[in-house]
Amino acid sequence: DTGVSQDPRHKITKRGQNVTFRCDPISEHNRLYWYRQTLGQGPEFLTYFQNEAQLEKSRLLSDRFSAERPKGSFSTLEIQRTEQGDSAMYLCASSSKSGTPLYGYTFGSGTRLTVV
Amino acid sequence: DQQVKQNSPSLSVQEGRISILNCDYTNSMFDYFLWYKKYPAEGPTFLISISSIKDKNEDGRFTVFLNKSAKHLSLHIVPSQPGDSAVYFCAAIDRGSSNTGKLIFGQGTTLQVKP
Repeated sequence: DTGVSQDPRHKITKRGQNVTFRCDPISEHNRLYWYRQTLGQGPEFLTYFQNEAQLEKSRLLSDRFSAERPKGSFSTLEIQRTEQGDSAMYLCASSSKSGTPLYGYTFGSGTRLTVV
Repeated sequence: DQQVKQNSPSLSVQEGRISILNCDYTNSMFDYFLWYKKYPAEGPTFLISISSIKDKNEDGRFTVFLNKSAKHLSLHIVPSQPGDSAVYFCAAIDRGSSNTGKLIFGQGTTLQVKP
């Protein structure tokens, strides 16, 4: 169990640029989540995958945001035409189908995005 | 609309004493409650959870209490240790999200345990 890996750890980009983040979940976990955390707040749900299917998206996920999970393995989160308000920590998490909600899930260390 | 609220941004306790972190919620449809701990530069780590059909769950030094009538839960850490210093997040799962496991988080409380 190598945990949930996220790449890059930090990203600084200019406003208007596109950015893409990658998440590698724990290998046997079929559930994958993306959350966003801004300063002084708790993580906010963005989207959920079960295998390769994106089953839920938050209203926070505007048209500039897109997430994929090809083949049900790693996932990418792309933000197009970044804005300063996109600056946040983007967290990925995974869990197994056999787990109940009471077991929680495993988060990665996050990608910190700074839009300048 | 903050459905899960942690009204104390910070808490400081002496090593060996009890730490009590509080959380209030507004949605009566929450079925599960979880606590996560977060160290700087790391992702949140699952700590302990409780189902809405229970009022207490204990795991070592950590105990979570749920008061459904007051829509309030608390995390007790006894005895507190310096390594417990971190940000603690309360989170909840709505009954309609029990299949997806979508978490709704509070704002977090920063705990400092002084040696």
